[in-house]
Amino acid sequence: NAGVTQTPKFQVLKTGQSMTLQCAQDMNHEYMSWYRQDPGMGLRLIHYSVGAGITDQGEVPNGYNVSRSTTEDFPLRLLSAAPSQTSVYFCASRGRVFGANVLTFGAGSRLTVL
Amino acid sequence: AQSVTQPDIHITVSEGASLELRCNYSYGATPYLFWYVQSPGQGLQLLLKYFSGDTLVQGIKGFEAEFKRSQSSFNLRKPSVHWSDAAEYFCAWLIQGAQKLVFGQGTRLTINP
Repeated sequence: NAGVTQTPKFQVLKTGQSMTLQCAQDMNHEYMSWYRQDPGMGLRLIHYSVGAGITDQGEVPNGYNVSRSTTEDFPLRLLSAAPSQTSVYFCASRGRVFGANVLTFGAGSRLTVL
Repeated sequence: AQSVTQPDIHITVSEGASLELRCNYSYGATPYLFWYVQSPGQGLQLLLKYFSGDTLVQGIKGFEAEFKRSQSSFNLRKPSVHWSDAAEYFCAWLIQGAQKLVFGQGTRLTINP
């Protein structure tokens, strides 16, 4: 039981490049989400999914795409990276039974856009 | 807008001293509140949570928090801090209808030997 696994841990991109941050969980959680963490701003929700085939926007969705084809995986795509997307990204999942489960976070992916 | 505020960006305490980290939420029905801790270069670990019932909740690592509806607060406390408690602490509020967790800005805790 690995929990929430994020890859890569570190990535450097040039402006305009695209990439995908991978997130996988082995806890059969319905709910998955992506946050970005920036100094002095805490964590802000980018996108979330309440189950396979269902996604929705969070607070800061612009510049990011997501899809949820399986329960286990929830990749985050940057189609054309910008320096403003330099951040630490966290994936988190939560079980279906609200109140009986809490968010479990991955270890994070640090992205630098030059 | 619903929000969580942590008024203290950085706190320094001496090892063995008591600790209180402040957290205020904006408004709403009974909130679902959390405290998370993040050690340098690590993900977030849940310290404790409040959903309902007893307003004083116990967490891991000797932490506790008290929910005070009249003050819209959920402050985190520890009677005696250890050097290993140095980290960043985040208060968070689960907005049920919106299915999202709103985080405060975080409080960085430094421990003096």
